[in-house]
Amino acid sequence: DTEVTQTPKHLVMGMTNKKSLKCEQHMGHRAMYWYKQKAKKPPELMFVYSYEKLSINESVPSRFSPECPNSSLLNLHLHALQPEDSALYLCASSRPGTGLGELFFGEGSRLTVL
Amino acid sequence: AQKVTQAQTEISVVEKEDVTLDCVYETRDTTYYLFWYKQPPSGELVFLIRRNSFDEQNEISGRYSWNFQKSTSSFNFTITASQVVDSAVYFCALSDGNTGKLIFGQGTTLQVKP
Repeated sequence: DTEVTQTPKHLVMGMTNKKSLKCEQHMGHRAMYWYKQKAKKPPELMFVYSYEKLSINESVPSRFSPECPNSSLLNLHLHALQPEDSALYLCASSRPGTGLGELFFGEGSRLTVL
Repeated sequence: AQKVTQAQTEISVVEKEDVTLDCVYETRDTTYYLFWYKQPPSGELVFLIRRNSFDEQNEISGRYSWNFQKSTSSFNFTITASQVVDSAVYFCALSDGNTGKLIFGQGTTLQVKP
């Protein structure tokens, strides 16, 4: 079983909806990540939080809004999405620091935008 | 620029066969990390191994083994006596020395048939 828990596992939303993806870890990791993965493609980094502060934003459109309320939780708020935003959204955590890269991933939230 | 190439898009083998997944990388960093991740149909990415650029020792873990050769910028992954449960997408990744970001290859889909 993964130690990174993501909810919901599946989400269908219209382009005018507002929804949120949630991620939780209790491994004491202080770096958390959002990745987006399209079918048959590798994951693409969206955001990185280090010690609850946003450290990397990969020029993600503002319709995606991350939030890190505490060291265990990471949210991704979704608003006015487009059908091309349909994808698997993966959350990950790790010990912060350059080059460690031993990310622990959740099972992902599969998003469909109608 | 950093880059990871997994030339094999799909591989199909029969159970108990050995299979090698190729990974070639490009980087100008002198210190870097290489990784392999497994993504089963459930969706989560499972960490398999991390190797730093100063450690060229090959590693064996059960049926899995890794061959790291800096001279050819390769980090190949071999599964011995493959099993149906090994069926998954396998990603090779390189950690950017400055940011710690993971740069993924395109992935190799391995199908192990009974």
